Amino acid sequence: AQSVSQHNHHVILSEAASLELGCNYSYGGTVNLFWYVQYPGQHLQLLLKYFSGDPLVKGIKGFEAEFIKSKFSFNLRKPSVQWSDTAEYFCAVTPPIGNAGNMLTFGGGTRLMVKP
Amino acid sequence: KAGVTQTPRYLIKTRGQQVTLSCSPISGHRSVSWYQQTPGQGLQFLFEYFSETQRNKGNFPGRFSGRQFSNSRSEMNVSTLELGDSALYLCASSPQGGTGELFFGEGSRLTVL
Repeated sequence: AQSVSQHNHHVILSEAASLELGCNYSYGGTVNLFWYVQYPGQHLQLLLKYFSGDPLVKGIKGFEAEFIKSKFSFNLRKPSVQWSDTAEYFCAVTPPIGNAGNMLTFGGGTRLMVKP
Repeated sequence: KAGVTQTPRYLIKTRGQQVTLSCSPISGHRSVSWYQQTPGQGLQFLFEYFSETQRNKGNFPGRFSGRQFSNSRSEMNVSTLELGDSALYLCASSPQGGTGELFFGEGSRLTVL
């Protein structure tokens, strides 16, 4: 069975600080990787995704993530955070196997608080 | 374009009762997935429906069931409610199956007393 670990449960940063949120997964084959974000009072939404190709992927709002296959990692980064980035971030994986692609396995989430 | 709509948003039930939650996907989306979110277990996949057929099912007991109608709207049902069923139930739709790019609703928060 696949699993996803997000080691940082809570992160507090000041505005303009750099962000890196860790995500490690365990799965024996090829995976599709995602970061979803949930802003306060809003629904969960897709931040970025990796299917194949360039392991450095860019998402919305200046976020990027790097897939390192040898480390089974898909860390989320942002060079300079803003107060509006305060949210909970979820890493997710799914095997790109035919019709199973919407069966996401989520990590436990990381709550990010950005102080103005 | 309207987003994913879930009803009711909040509900309180007692142990042993059953509950039905409804989800209207984004227009044109044929896949509807359901997830349970709890503080202890996080986000867990319940099941997915595509073209009125259950395509995938997570590791939940048979008390959890669902269905999808011809207009892609979906319902999930939980029978014989237990205290541990208290959770936020999220519905997500996607235009087609299998990409993992999901559009989530705001959820139905179920409290079981």
